[in-house]
Amino acid sequence: KAGVTQTPRYLIKTRGQQVTLSCSPISGHRSVSWYQQTPGQGLQFLFEYFSETQRNKGNFPGRFSGRQFSNSRSEMNVSTLELGDSALYLCASRRDRRGNTIYFGEGSWLTVV
Amino acid sequence: QKEVEQDPGPLSVPEGAIVSLNCTYSNSAFQYFMWYRQYSRKGPELLMYTYSSGNKEDGRFTAQVDKSSKYISLFIRDSQPSDSATYLCAMSENSGGSNYKLTFGKGTLLTVNP
Repeated sequence: KAGVTQTPRYLIKTRGQQVTLSCSPISGHRSVSWYQQTPGQGLQFLFEYFSETQRNKGNFPGRFSGRQFSNSRSEMNVSTLELGDSALYLCASRRDRRGNTIYFGEGSWLTVV
Repeated sequence: QKEVEQDPGPLSVPEGAIVSLNCTYSNSAFQYFMWYRQYSRKGPELLMYTYSSGNKEDGRFTAQVDKSSKYISLFIRDSQPSDSATYLCAMSENSGGSNYKLTFGKGTLLTVNP
């Protein structure tokens, strides 16, 4: 059974640009959440999607957004990139909204220069 | 005060040692406690999941929760070089549901030397 797949794995962007990251959850999993990991703040919850709707949101500015498609695949977008957005962005899936075990992908490493 | 505090280390031990990793938390609403292991350049993987105060054992790993002290621990017996990784504690207020999110410690970097 394939795990959570994230693309791209590595990318470099310039300040002011925008970026879109993609996530394919484990087959059969319908809930996708996103986390940001930095050395200074650690892992922080961004948002969660279920049935194409954002269900829960962390304390991040509106520049961070996401969406989920009918096949449960998800994308997150960061607009007007800042240097501080450099981080590992992790996608995680769980079976459904009742599930309490989440499985992480390997992440997308974003560097903003 | 951060909700979850974890000593970042680094922690370096010889092979075969017993390792103790700890987290404290301030949010008394946390009810569910997890330990994740993260290898370099990889995503976190779930090691242990506990609910109530007390101990839970899985092979060489033992998770301990003391809700009265808001303190959790992970013990690794007979540590191996393959245990070298960052260990993250995580907590949640509820078990699943619509408002489910994990709050993480910053992680402890562990190196087990052969």
